[in-house]
Formats: sequence, structure tokens, C-alpha cells
Amino acid sequence: EVQLVESGGGLVQPGRSMKLSCAASGFTFSNYGMAWVRQAPTKGLEWVATISYDGSSTYYRDSVKGRFTISRDNAKSTLYLQMNSLRSEDTATYYCTKPVAYWGQGTLVTVSS
Amino acid sequence: IQMTQSPSLLSASVGDRVTLSCKAGQNINNYLAWYQQKLGEAPKLLIYNANSLQTGIPSRFSGSGSGTDFTLTISSLQPEDVATYFCQQYNSWTWTFGGGTKLELK
Repeated sequence: EVQLVESGGGLVQPGRSMKLSCAASGFTFSNYGMAWVRQAPTKGLEWVATISYDGSSTYYRDSVKGRFTISRDNAKSTLYLQMNSLRSEDTATYYCTKPVAYWGQGTLVTVSS
Repeated sequence: IQMTQSPSLLSASVGDRVTLSCKAGQNINNYLAWYQQKLGEAPKLLIYNANSLQTGIPSRFSGSGSGTDFTLTISSLQPEDVATYFCQQYNSWTWTFGGGTKLELK
């Protein structure tokens, strides 16, 4: 059974950093591209970043380019999202996804002073 | 690629046939998914590749369309189908989602 378990969310002040993790199991992690998708409270879904199976290619939405970094450790079957210079508009539940069928339960990031 | 869903809100009765629309700003080669999201839950995949039913999803759900125009149909609405539905294009590594259709019971 595929499982994706996010962690690392919480309350953070504007301008600070936070790193999210996603522990994957139930499939061969190193064979698949992965992605982060977020959802602001009461809003729709917003793609954040994607990484290829081997980490050699990464893609970001414009609003997070230069601030967020997606990475992976295939030996640990773990996906990461390093978020720097956080803004209030980054407040959202962040989901880890194995395209397109599998999603984690999400972790809430609140950016507020 | 912009994805536009309509309507944003839909009220229907149990047993109704319901149709949701999703339009892409350009040809997405049928790389389109439909998700159902209930309050407080993660999205659940219903349809992938525009018309393929995900394993375990009831057959009352179906997807159709090609190119830029796509449709999700629920053949006979059930109370448990109350949710928000999102479409998503994955034609490239940079995905986009539609704004969602909130489906409620009349």
C-alpha cells in the first residue's frame, strides 16, 4: 500500500525558513517523479514544485522560484521542500504527491507574526 | 496552461445526472485528471488520462473529452458525492489545477 506521510509544518514568522519532509513507502520511490501541491485555507489546489525520479530535474511555480527548493533522498525514500523567505501568502496545507494517484494527508504551514 | 472549471457551484438532487466542465487553455493531450475533495480531506483521484477510471472508484463517475474540453459526469448523484471537484492538467512537469466546482445537494 502506497503511503505518503508529511511532516515539518507549523507556525513560522514571515521571512523565516521551514523544511517539510514526506516519507514514502509501499512503492519503489527512486522510480518516480514526485511533487508538492498546496492549498490555502478555503482555496483551491496549487501546484508548487516537481522533481524527477533521480532529482536531476526540478520545476517550480513562479511565485516560489528562488525561495523554495524541492529535493529527494532516494536511499531514505523521502521527499523534501525547503522553504525560505516565507510570506503570509505561503500559508497553506502542503501535500506530497506521487503523480497523479497518491497524496499524503498534508501538513499545515502558517506564516504569521 | 490555464484550466477553467464551470460552474463554480452546482446544486443537484439525489439521482440526478451531473456534468462538470473543465477547459484547458491549450491542447493537453488528454493528460487530465479529476479529483474529489471532501472537507478536511486530501484530494482523491477519480479519473486520469481524461477517461480512465481509477481503481476502486464507483462506475457512476466517468470522464470524457479531448484536446482542450473535458467533462466529468456523475450518472446518478449520491449523497456521498457532495464535495468539491478539481481538474488538473499534467501535460508537462508544471501542473495546473482548475478553480474547482462545489457540488451540493438541492
